[in-house]
Amino acid sequence: DAGVIQSPRHEVTEMGQEVTLRCKPISGHNSLFWYRQTMMRGLELLIYFNNNVPIDDSGMPEDRFSAKMPNASFSTLKIQPSEPRDSAVYFCASRQRLAGSTDTQYFGPGTRLTVL
Amino acid sequence: AQSVTQLDSQVPVFEEAPVELRCNYSSSVSVYLFWYVQYPNQGLQLLLKYLSGSTLVKGINGFEAEFNKSQTSFHLRKPSVHISDTAEYFCAVSDLRNDYKLSFGAGTTVTVRA
Repeated sequence: DAGVIQSPRHEVTEMGQEVTLRCKPISGHNSLFWYRQTMMRGLELLIYFNNNVPIDDSGMPEDRFSAKMPNASFSTLKIQPSEPRDSAVYFCASRQRLAGSTDTQYFGPGTRLTVL
Repeated sequence: AQSVTQLDSQVPVFEEAPVELRCNYSSSVSVYLFWYVQYPNQGLQLLLKYLSGSTLVKGINGFEAEFNKSQTSFHLRKPSVHISDTAEYFCAVSDLRNDYKLSFGAGTTVTVRA
């Protein structure tokens, strides 16, 4: 299994530009998560999808952030416009959500975003 | 809501020595507990998890953790570390109702020296 795939691995952009981060979950997994990791705030859950439907987006910082999951094998996290304080490592994770069980979240390698 | 406190931000340790990473949580409801490891420039990998049953949980790479409900702790241990165990370790908690929502501690950086 290839694991969770994220692209790009590194992104450097200028303030005001649009940034799109991409994620391919593990095949067969029906839940997907976007996290942000910063020195100041640690690891934070941004949004959670189950069966391609956003279930909890309470962690999305503001309207500049949006996430989509058009199908079971692809998700995007978009920041428009980007700001320097968005600089962070963004992780995507997926799991196979089964009724009555708690299954492991598998994390991708992350995208390191730098906004200048 | 749950929260996690990792009591040590950095733990230096010599190779083949034991290590213990401390984790305390707070929650008003029953919880699930996890330890993840993050190697440099990589994503998080699950070491072990406690869902129910035996309070001593064994994980990968020789790690184990013990759930102590009365002390609300979930400390991670390894009897003999290797250089390759140098990494950042995260304790996380979720509650039974919203088991998808992991709350992570700030992390403990373990540096193993020869």
